[in-house]
Amino acid sequence: DAGVIQSPRHEVTEMGQEVTLRCKPISGHNSLFWYRQTMMRGLELLIYFNNNVPIDDSGMPEDRFSAKMPNASFSTLKIQPSEPRDSAVYFCASSLNSGGVNEQYFGPGTRLTVT
Amino acid sequence: KNQVEQSPQSLIILEGKNCTLQCNYTVSPFSNLRWYKQDTGRGPVSLTIMTFSENTKSNGRYTATLDADTKQSSLHITASQLSDSASYICVVSGTGGGNKLTFGTGTQLKVEL
Repeated sequence: DAGVIQSPRHEVTEMGQEVTLRCKPISGHNSLFWYRQTMMRGLELLIYFNNNVPIDDSGMPEDRFSAKMPNASFSTLKIQPSEPRDSAVYFCASSLNSGGVNEQYFGPGTRLTVT
Repeated sequence: KNQVEQSPQSLIILEGKNCTLQCNYTVSPFSNLRWYKQDTGRGPVSLTIMTFSENTKSNGRYTATLDADTKQSSLHITASQLSDSASYICVVSGTGGGNKLTFGTGTQLKVEL
């Protein structure tokens, strides 16, 4: 298995532009998670889906952030409009089931820089 | 508020030496505790996952301990190698369904020759 796939790996954009991050979870996994990592705050859960349905989006910072999961093999995280404080590494992770001790497998991340 | 605190923030050791990383948490009710290793430029990779009833769990040269009474965990690395240089993140999951994890800010370990 190729693991969790994220694209792009690096994104540099100007303030005000729309940014779309993409994730392909591990085949067969039914839970998908979007995280943001910064030096100051570490890893933070933004939103997670179970069976393509958003379960908890309380970590989404504000209305500029939105996430979709149109099918079991694809998810997007969109920031519109982007701001310099959105600069961070965004990770996608997937797991086989939601809850319990089910292990989450992380993708390589997308490093976003907003100038 | 659920919190996970790790110490030390950073650590430098010589290759071949042992080290212990600490994690204290206030997450309640508790479901499980995980240790992740994150190499620079990569996503975190799980080392161990422990539930309430488990006191210790090993994964090769990595041994994690858990004291659910004092809400403390440690990760012991034996005979360190250069490839152990990474950030080690303690993560705690509460009960109540879902997979909401509380992350520590990590311990940055550097192993030198």
